[in-house]
Amino acid sequence: QKEVEQDPGPLSVPEGAIVSLNCTYSNSAFQYFMWYRQYSRKGPELLMYTYSSGNKEDGRFTAQVDKSSKYISLFIRDSQPSDSATYLCAMSARYGGATNKLIFGTGTLLAVQP
Amino acid sequence: DTGVSQDPRHKITKRGQNVTFRCDPISEHNRLYWYRQTLGQGPEFLTYFQNEAQLEKSRLLSDRFSAERPKGSFSTLEIQRTEQGDSAMYLCASSLILAGAYNEQFFGPGTRLTVL
Repeated sequence: QKEVEQDPGPLSVPEGAIVSLNCTYSNSAFQYFMWYRQYSRKGPELLMYTYSSGNKEDGRFTAQVDKSSKYISLFIRDSQPSDSATYLCAMSARYGGATNKLIFGTGTLLAVQP
Repeated sequence: DTGVSQDPRHKITKRGQNVTFRCDPISEHNRLYWYRQTLGQGPEFLTYFQNEAQLEKSRLLSDRFSAERPKGSFSTLEIQRTEQGDSAMYLCASSLILAGAYNEQFFGPGTRLTVL
């Protein structure tokens, strides 16, 4: 069993829809929870990170972490065709006050149809 | 451009050949990571450096793989006697470790390796 599980999709939605992306994990040591966006043949870029449990909002994006259920989510409101990409969840433990290696999910391919 | 750069962007080689990739991190970033990403999968951790010291290696990093970061600046990843299973995107990331702060990893564009 992988440490981080993510539905690979693909997920196709119409423009303006609310998108929900999710990951589950098994390692209780994870303290940092990230969402990365990756366009085709490019490196991942950080969208948002959350430390421990809670919600975080940034514009049209909201990240939620429920450590008791080992479940994290990313919501995209008013989705745009430019949001079409692969969304990767990533997690890391905390060692000595600094983040460490990232453990990624498989990524969910999202297509927003105009 | 002050981001992470990787060279080459694409590499096609024949099975059994040796290849070397280079990563130039963001200036003054003291930590450098290598990941490997195969089609339809998320990146998988290979190894990382704190300055010039290699602090952790994944079990994915077989004896055919070696990484260096001389002088704590750029890094190289060498694969000897390449196999078709080595075909993947090799990603480099760098971060600035500051105690008590979130240390974002910035990724480069990757080197896509194809082993024929």
